[in-house]
Amino acid sequence: SYVLTQPPSVSVAPGKTASITCGGNSIGSKSVHWYLQKPGQAPVLVIEFDRDRPSGIPERFSGSNSGNTATLTISRVEAGDEADYFCQVWDSSSDHYVFGTGTKVTVL
Amino acid sequence: QVQLVESGGGVVQPGRSLRLSCAASGFTFSTYSMHWVRQAPGKGPEWVAVISYNGRNKYYADSVKGRFTISRDNSKNTLSLQTNSLRAEDTAVYYCSRGGVDSPGTHDVFDIWGQGTMVTVSS
Repeated sequence: SYVLTQPPSVSVAPGKTASITCGGNSIGSKSVHWYLQKPGQAPVLVIEFDRDRPSGIPERFSGSNSGNTATLTISRVEAGDEADYFCQVWDSSSDHYVFGTGTKVTVL
Repeated sequence: QVQLVESGGGVVQPGRSLRLSCAASGFTFSTYSMHWVRQAPGKGPEWVAVISYNGRNKYYADSVKGRFTISRDNSKNTLSLQTNSLRAEDTAVYYCSRGGVDSPGTHDVFDIWGQGTMVTVSS
């Protein structure tokens, strides 16, 4: 089965830039979507189709995808960005949807 | 506004069944594929099942195939998940989520989520 690997945690100071990676075999050939989840809440879509921001998501959130790594970048990090972040793809070889292992972003 | 509201969760003994429901509002339900995604305590999301906009296509995670059945009633804007032969490892918050327009159930992004309903499987 297809596996998406993320770093367990990322720490960043307010105002700085956080980068969260999502590794998978030839992930650059797939569309990657990113979600944030705060404690006790449902996930929220922040990036779709590698780099597109849904309505209402700040421009500080951006995405890229190439080779074996997709990346979510959060610029000018704010305290409110502290959350768990998950990547997700559709795996056509298994007809399954796959989520990444998740990254906890801590704002120092 | 666009909204998904799950119901039907609870505490159930291993081997028993539970039927989860999701009421949709604020969008044309019949034109979207719909998903169930679950999240065990302290774990990340796990996709469970998807049904195409017209109900013709259904896909399931290996962990639930043969035990869970996804269905929809487009006349009532309702999504359902029949869960049978429940196991302790099925304990999780179950979310319904909206997929794509006119989607056969593949290549979807989960753009709207409900608040979830908790299922606890325990003796």
